Amino acid sequence: DAGVIQSPRHEVTEMGQEVTLRCKPISGHNSLFWYRQTMMRGLELLIYFNNNVPIDDSGMPEDRFSAKMPNASFSTLKIQPSEPRDSAVYFCASSLIKQSGYTFGSGTRLTVV
Amino acid sequence: DAKTTQPPSMDCAEGRAANLPCNHSTISGNEYVYWYRQIHSQGPQYIIHGLKNNETNEMASLIITEDRKSSTLILPHATLRDTAVYYCIVRGGMEYGNKLVFGAGTILRVKS
Repeated sequence: DAGVIQSPRHEVTEMGQEVTLRCKPISGHNSLFWYRQTMMRGLELLIYFNNNVPIDDSGMPEDRFSAKMPNASFSTLKIQPSEPRDSAVYFCASSLIKQSGYTFGSGTRLTVV
Repeated sequence: DAKTTQPPSMDCAEGRAANLPCNHSTISGNEYVYWYRQIHSQGPQYIIHGLKNNETNEMASLIITEDRKSSTLILPHATLRDTAVYYCIVRGGMEYGNKLVFGAGTILRVKS
């Protein structure tokens, strides 16, 4: 199994541009999570899906952020418009809907200049 | 979910056991204790979890006190590659949702 696959690994964009981060969960996993990590705030849960349905998006910072999961094998996190304070490492993770461990991807390092 | 308290940092000599403590005094009966670690620049990695019994796998052992108010993660023979941030997380049963909330963790430095 290739694990959780995120793309791109690095993204540098200008303020005001749209940014789309992508995630492919592990096959057979039915929960997917998006986290953001910064030095100041640590690891923050942004949103998670069970069976492709958004369950809790209370961590999404504002309307500029949106996430979709059109099918069991793909999810996107979009920021429009991007701002410098969105610079962070964004992680995607997947798991089974039961008491089990998450598997995290390698993350996308986003820099907004 | 119950909150956890961990020391901000610890040192350990290479080859020795690393014992990482975690306090979760407000844990409730159906909440599990999870441990993850994050090596620099990588995504967090699942280590182990337990409810009330001690658990062991190929990576580590988890010792949970009888009153469940604290636990210890044991890396039996720490290596330099075990240097990482270790997170202790208490997570409710499925009726409380399926999310993990990370705190600040413990920075473990393994030294030669």
